[in-house]
Parts: sequence; C-alpha cells; structure tokens
Amino acid sequence: GDSVTQMEGPVTLSEEAFLTINCTYTATGYPSLFWYVQYPGEGLQLLLKATKADDKGSNKGFEATYRKETTSFHLEKGSVQVSDSAVYFCALSDAGGYNKLIFGAGTRLAVHP
Amino acid sequence: DTGVSQDPRHKITKRGQNVTFRCDPISEHNRLYWYRQTLGQGPEFLTYFQNEAQLEKSRLLSDRFSAERPKGSFSTLEIQRTEQGDSAMYLCASSLRAKGFTDTQYFGPGTRLTVL
Repeated sequence: GDSVTQMEGPVTLSEEAFLTINCTYTATGYPSLFWYVQYPGEGLQLLLKATKADDKGSNKGFEATYRKETTSFHLEKGSVQVSDSAVYFCALSDAGGYNKLIFGAGTRLAVHP
Repeated sequence: DTGVSQDPRHKITKRGQNVTFRCDPISEHNRLYWYRQTLGQGPEFLTYFQNEAQLEKSRLLSDRFSAERPKGSFSTLEIQRTEQGDSAMYLCASSLRAKGFTDTQYFGPGTRLTVL
C-alpha cells in the first residue's frame, strides 16, 4: 500500500542554519503531497503542498518540490528561526478518490539561538 | 472561518467505559475525516464521510468504534468498552471537495483520550 518515509529526528540546528528534512513516498497513481507542521501544544497546520510532478510548494520560507523520478518531497528552508521548532509531517493524499492522508512518522526540529 | 473544533479537548476514562467525541467541521466543508495519533507517530486514518455518508473505514476501526455524521454537519466518534490501547489523540479534519479543486484537509486541535 501507499506509504511515506521521513528522516528520523530529532534534528537540532542553530538559528540561521539551512534545513533539509527528507521525505520519500511509495504510491500507486499520482498522489498530492503535503507538509504539515505541529507546533508545541497546537494542532496540525498545513505548511505547503504540491499536486503534480515538478510543482514547488512554498510558505513561510519553506519549500518542497514534487520529484516523481525520485519519489521525494524534501522540505528545505534557507535560514531557520527558533520559532520554527516543531514536528514536521510529510503526507500524501491517495489518488483513489477519497483523498485520505497517509502520514510519515514526523521529524522533530529543535532550533537553538 | 472559525476552523475545525473538537470537544472535549481531554478525556480521562476507566477501562470498559464508553466515550464519545464531537467534531464540528469548517462550515460548508462536505468531507470530514477522523484520524488517530499515538505518541511519536504520525496520524493514522480511521474513517471518512462525504456529507452524511460514511464512505471508508480503516481496518484500525474495530467493532467497538462507531462514527456518525447525521446531517452532514458535525460528527461524533464513539468508543465502546474502552481499552488502554485506545489511549491516543483523536483528530478530526474537514475539506471541501468540488470539481477541479484539490481539497486540502484542515485539522482540529484533537481530543486526547487517556484510558486508565
């Protein structure tokens, strides 16, 4: 079945460092891809999405490109801030019509001043 | 747009008791989803409604679980005879499905269930 694999955390960075969180997927058909973020004590929030191959999703300085050839959707940010500390989830929406989300296990990011 | 709301936010119960959670989706969203999230894991799909019709149920949803969306608006998730393994965060999400529109799911804050 469809699945998402994320790099294990925690990822610990200093402020202004470059961030990459790897995400690869296995799916039949052509799923949409998402990054959700969960800040401490808060619910899941959509960070960005891409609906077809080569699309780039972007928001709040974060970017991810839908790479069909490598089945990847890596999250990047050029300069992280302390306020970016959170758990990041990669997810795919199955192309079967019901669009249920299949999530990775999440990657915890801790940014220190 | 008031967002997806869930009630209660926390529930502590004893093993064997029944519990019911409520989800109010974003108004006019026709799709509603329930997920379960355990500590250190990503959310796992439980079930899904389009309007009042329950269209898909995960194998995770045992016979002790039942979900309804009677008028296509709010939804309830009931767990009968709770077990310690039911302890988790239960998340609700809603989305709008329309022609030519890729629906995005918006999540509520979740109900944290602790079974003693």
